[in-house]
Amino acid sequence: EAGVAQSPRYKIIEKRQSVAFWCNPISGHATLYWYQQILGQGPKLLIQFQNNGVVDDSQLPKDRFSAERLKGVDSTLKIQPAKLEDSAVYLCASSPQWNEQFFGPGTRLTVL
Amino acid sequence: LAKTTQPISMDSYEGQEVNITCSHNNIATNDYITWYQQFPSQGPRFIIQGYKTKVTNEVASLFIPADRKSSTLSLPRVSLSDTAVYYCLVGDKNAGNMLTFGGGTRLMVKP
Repeated sequence: EAGVAQSPRYKIIEKRQSVAFWCNPISGHATLYWYQQILGQGPKLLIQFQNNGVVDDSQLPKDRFSAERLKGVDSTLKIQPAKLEDSAVYLCASSPQWNEQFFGPGTRLTVL
Repeated sequence: LAKTTQPISMDSYEGQEVNITCSHNNIATNDYITWYQQFPSQGPRFIIQGYKTKVTNEVASLFIPADRKSSTLSLPRVSLSDTAVYYCLVGDKNAGNMLTFGGGTRLMVKP
């Protein structure tokens, strides 16, 4: 079974630039999550989708972050404009049922 | 949401059994306890999940006392490759599957 795919794996941008991350979940998984993981900390949930609807985005900084999941499959997470404190690993996960999440390898973002 | 507390770090030696305890004093009736493992430069990986008493799989065991206010992840005979960060999560179904990762426990296995 193919895992969760994410791209790019690494991204370096300057502050105030824009960036987008892409996630392809495991086939058939209805739930998709985006997490932000700052170095030395646990992952922090940004947004959760159930099919193409948002279940929870209470921790998503909506003034600069946006996410969509068109057709209930792939998802993109965008940051515009980026700040220095956005430097982190952005993890995408999907799950077929409650509580067991399958994570992708993440995208490491460095904002200079 | 139930908050979890774990030791920040633990050291062990190859071949030993490692027990990592997680405290979750305000766990709710419908909450399950889930443990994840994370290696450097990888996403977390599901290890084990339980509701009460004991759960065992090919990787680990999970012990949950009757009051469910804590849980212990047991890793038998660890090897160097078990060096990782281990996260304890408590899932609240009423919160729409939202799961909160704490700081985790950084396990270092030494030769």
